[in-house]
Amino acid sequence: NAGVTQTPKFQVLKTGQSMTLQCAQDMNHEYMSWYRQDPGMGLRLIHYSVGAGITDQGEVPNGYNVSRSTTEDFPLRLLSAAPSQTSVYFCASTTTLGEWQFFGPGTRLTVL
Amino acid sequence: GNSVTQMEGPVTLSEEAFLTINCTYTATGYPSLFWYVQYPGEGLQLLLKATKADDKGSNKGFEATYRKETTSFHLEKGSVQVSDSAVYFCALSDWSNAGNMLTFGGGTRLMVKP
Repeated sequence: NAGVTQTPKFQVLKTGQSMTLQCAQDMNHEYMSWYRQDPGMGLRLIHYSVGAGITDQGEVPNGYNVSRSTTEDFPLRLLSAAPSQTSVYFCASTTTLGEWQFFGPGTRLTVL
Repeated sequence: GNSVTQMEGPVTLSEEAFLTINCTYTATGYPSLFWYVQYPGEGLQLLLKATKADDKGSNKGFEATYRKETTSFHLEKGSVQVSDSAVYFCALSDWSNAGNMLTFGGGTRLMVKP
């Protein structure tokens, strides 16, 4: 089991560019989520999914899109990058709602 | 809404010292509580959890007790090691969270010196 994998590990974008952060899990977990980590603010939920074809917004969804076409994959799209989106992004998955989650290693994104 | 408050760091200790990292929460329902640890350059790993009042979670010498009366879940370790240096996050989940996902505290950096 690879667990939760994320690519890329690092990315630098210019304001206005778009990109997709990839997340995959091989544990057959139904529930997946994206968080961003900013200094002193812990992790904040961006979007989540409770199964293939079902997504919903978290606490800070603006500027991000997600889709869930398969159980394994949950990509996060930045439509038009802004400096405020400079952060570390973590993908997570779990088999049971309300239970602890497996986290990926993170993607460090810088928007200039 | 739900929230988690942790003591600000960094916390700097000498090896074998006693550790306490305070965590308090507000929640709509009856949350499950978690401590996660993040080592440098890595993602978050679950350290321990408790799902109901008076439960004690423990792992790798760390302990935390779910105190409903004080809405607290303080992390303790009797004798820290240099390898415990990391950032520690307190978190909760309950039904009122979006998708029952996690609400995190701001994190506390622990530095242990030899």
